[in-house]
Amino acid sequence: DAGVTQSPTHLIKTRGQQVTLRCSPKSGHDTVSWYQQALGQGPQFIFQYYEEEERQRGNFPDRFSGHQFPNYSSELNVNALLLGDSALYLCASRLDRLYGYTFGSGTRLTVV
Amino acid sequence: AQSVAQPEDQVNVAEGNPLTVKCTYSVSGNPYLFWYVQYPNRGLQFLLKYITGDNLVKGSYGFEAEFNKSQTSFHLKKPSALVSDSALYFCAVMGNFGNEKLTFGTGTRLTIIP
Repeated sequence: DAGVTQSPTHLIKTRGQQVTLRCSPKSGHDTVSWYQQALGQGPQFIFQYYEEEERQRGNFPDRFSGHQFPNYSSELNVNALLLGDSALYLCASRLDRLYGYTFGSGTRLTVV
Repeated sequence: AQSVAQPEDQVNVAEGNPLTVKCTYSVSGNPYLFWYVQYPNRGLQFLLKYITGDNLVKGSYGFEAEFNKSQTSFHLKKPSALVSDSALYFCAVMGNFGNEKLTFGTGTRLTIIP
């Protein structure tokens, strides 16, 4: 049973560009959350998607947006990239909040 | 607002000795508490959680954690450390129903010395 799958694993972008990161949740999981982990820091909550809608959002600007598809997979889009957006982006999925979230291995985004 | 504090950036333990990684939290209502481990260039791996019930929670790889409501702590423990336990450990808290946000601490790097 595959866990949470993220693609790509690594990405290099230039300031001002736009990027899309992808996530396939663990089989049977219908809720997806995205986190940003800067170097040396703990993960920071970006937003959560359930039933194709954004249900909760962290303290991130509107440049960060997302989408959830009918098959529960999700995308994270970041527009007008800044150097400070360089981080490991983690996707997490769950079926029931009591069981907690399963995390993917992340996408390492470098903005130059 | 919810928060997590991991007061130690680095913990060094000799192989075979017991280990403790400290965590305190702040949240409204009853907390959902988690420990995750992160190996280099990898995502987070779930170790254990406290939702309700016994204050001593047992998890993966021989780890356990003790929930202390009065001290708002959730320390991670293991009776006998292995070199392979060396990694970055994160404590996280989730609030009441309707709040799905996991708030993480800044992490504690655990090094087991052979």
